[in-house]
Order: sequence, then structure tokens, then C-alpha cells
Amino acid sequence: EIVLTQSPGTLSLSPGERATLSCRASQSVSSSYLAWYQQKPGQAPRLLIYGTSSRATGIPDRFSGSGSGTDFTLTISRLEPEDFAVYFCQQYGSSPQTFGQGTKVEIK
Amino acid sequence: EVQLLESGGGLVQPGGSLRLSCATSGFIFSAYAMSWVRQAPGKGLEWVSAISDADGSTYYADSVKGRFTISRDNSKNTLYLQMNSLRVDDTAVYYCAKAPHFYDRFVYWGQGTLVTVSS
Repeated sequence: EIVLTQSPGTLSLSPGERATLSCRASQSVSSSYLAWYQQKPGQAPRLLIYGTSSRATGIPDRFSGSGSGTDFTLTISRLEPEDFAVYFCQQYGSSPQTFGQGTKVEIK
Repeated sequence: EVQLLESGGGLVQPGGSLRLSCATSGFIFSAYAMSWVRQAPGKGLEWVSAISDADGSTYYADSVKGRFTISRDNSKNTLYLQMNSLRVDDTAVYYCAKAPHFYDRFVYWGQGTLVTVSS
């Protein structure tokens, strides 16, 4: 099983700042089958990025993904008030598919 | 519009059983694999089980294998999760989720149903 480790656990930033979230895999993620989700309290996760760098439908371009192999990054170029949430990465290239433990982006 | 609506959660004692349902609409249910994903309180996401579209093949996380059974009724556009021998650590919000293909990112999620296993 591929273990995904996200860092940092919590990121304290102000609106307008840049957020950089890391997701490190215990083994190489095949074919860059890496996705990112946003979750707000009491809500289901929402798909942001798939295939490492493709934005899902309706996702603003301030969200971007990059990486390969075992190291992946989600970048939010300028934080908007609605971006403060928890973010999870997921690998779906190897069975079983697995998720990271999450990074909380909170208002500083 | 794709909609997924879970039901059937609640409070159950350790060792008990519960059946979750996920009623779907807005897409051709029989043409898609479906999954259950859970989230323990304050924790991350865990894939639980999946069922294929074509032949109904089923797949389970090791943590639930032998205790949970996933099934589908294509005539009712509904996904199920039968949970037996429940344990305290099965306490979680259970989501049904839809991906474009089997073993793919989850584009659509239900709102979740809370299962609490406690004496």
C-alpha cells in the first residue's frame, strides 16, 4: 500500500498569500495518478486537481498542481477567503487507492 | 445533474449490523463503477470498497474485508453497503463516490451518512 504523507499539518496564512502544500508518497505514483481535494467543515470533499496537474471542472486557475514520482505539490497562488479549508491528496494508480492525512490551511 | 444521496447511518452497538444506501440520479448508474469512502471524526479519508459496472466485481480495503459487502441494484440506481460485525473504529461518515472510470479520481460525492459504533 502506498502511504501518502502531507506536510505541513497546518498552514497559517493571510488572504492574498501563496500556499504551498506537499504530498510525499512512499513509492512512486504510477502515471501521475495523483489528485487533490478540498474539504470544508460539514461538507464532502471537492475534487480540485487530477492527473497531478489538471484542474477539475469549475476550479479557478489560482489552484495548480505539480510533481512526479513520489513528490507532489498543490499551490494556491493567492488565497481567497473561501480557500481556507482542509486539503487531501489521493493516489489512484495502485491498489488500494489511498489518501493523505490532510493539510489544514487556516487564517493567520 | 449528478446526485448521490446516502442514508441508513445511525448508532449501533459493537458487533451489530447496518446497511447503508446511496440513491443516485443524473447519470446512467449501470455504466459506472461506484465506491464507498469513509472519514472517521477529525481524521482523513479512507477508501472502503468498490463495485465495478460491468460484471459487479467487488473490492474491499483490508480493514473491512470479510465484514462489509458492497452491492448495487441497477434497476433502482442504488448502491449499498452491508456492514456486519461493526467495531468502534468503524465509526465514521460514509460517503458514496463516483469516478469517471474504475480506479480513478472521485468527481462526485454524496453528502455522507454518519455511522456511530458505541455501547
